[in-house]
Amino acid sequence: DQQVKQNSPSLSVQEGRISILSCDYTNSMFDYFLWYKKYPAEGPTFLISISSIKDKNEDGRFTVFLNKSAKHLSLHIVPSQPGDSAVYFCAAKRPGGTSYGKLTFGQGTILTVHP
Amino acid sequence: SQTIHQWPATLVQPVGSPLSLECTVEGTSNPNLYWYRQAAGRGLQLLFYSVGIGQISSEVPQNLSASRPQDRQFILSSKKLLLSDSGFYLCAWRRGVSTGELFFGEGSRLTVL
Repeated sequence: DQQVKQNSPSLSVQEGRISILSCDYTNSMFDYFLWYKKYPAEGPTFLISISSIKDKNEDGRFTVFLNKSAKHLSLHIVPSQPGDSAVYFCAAKRPGGTSYGKLTFGQGTILTVHP
Repeated sequence: SQTIHQWPATLVQPVGSPLSLECTVEGTSNPNLYWYRQAAGRGLQLLFYSVGIGQISSEVPQNLSASRPQDRQFILSSKKLLLSDSGFYLCAWRRGVSTGELFFGEGSRLTVL
């Protein structure tokens, strides 16, 4: 049961343009959504998160949008830079003690930013 | 500051051999710890999590086991490796209590031949 899905395996963008990465989820109980960036042979690094009670969160060049009715979130990177080239994972967390902070991850999207 | 380390970084093992991957966290106490695996072309799959010493929960049935002998040490093991155990293994601890933010180690690449 894939509760978090990233339907685009890859995305190619020109430097300076906007990158839009998408993620869909099925579990309406998720209370936080997170985006991670991962370079080859390294652990993922946290980028940005959003609470389910918000629809937008911004941090520098990164903005995450949440559409609860559509069960869809997106990560916007503006402007895109070659150093942004990496695999991006979205993740979701259920509330409460029994979730133990476990994150459910999507399959990842490979972003390539061309100079 | 908090840090997390895991080793070895790279491992090539024959089928049927044992496995031991170690993870240690510094700068925090009683952390929730997690083992994830990234198989080729797939996302991050949660294998085990631990909320305290000796407390291990398994998410998926498999050939692997985990142990937590000390507060800040988390070990992933196998008695006999299978080809399907190949992948990139990641240890993490929960840094964000409410947001669920996990902080990951550098990862261990396991190739089973």
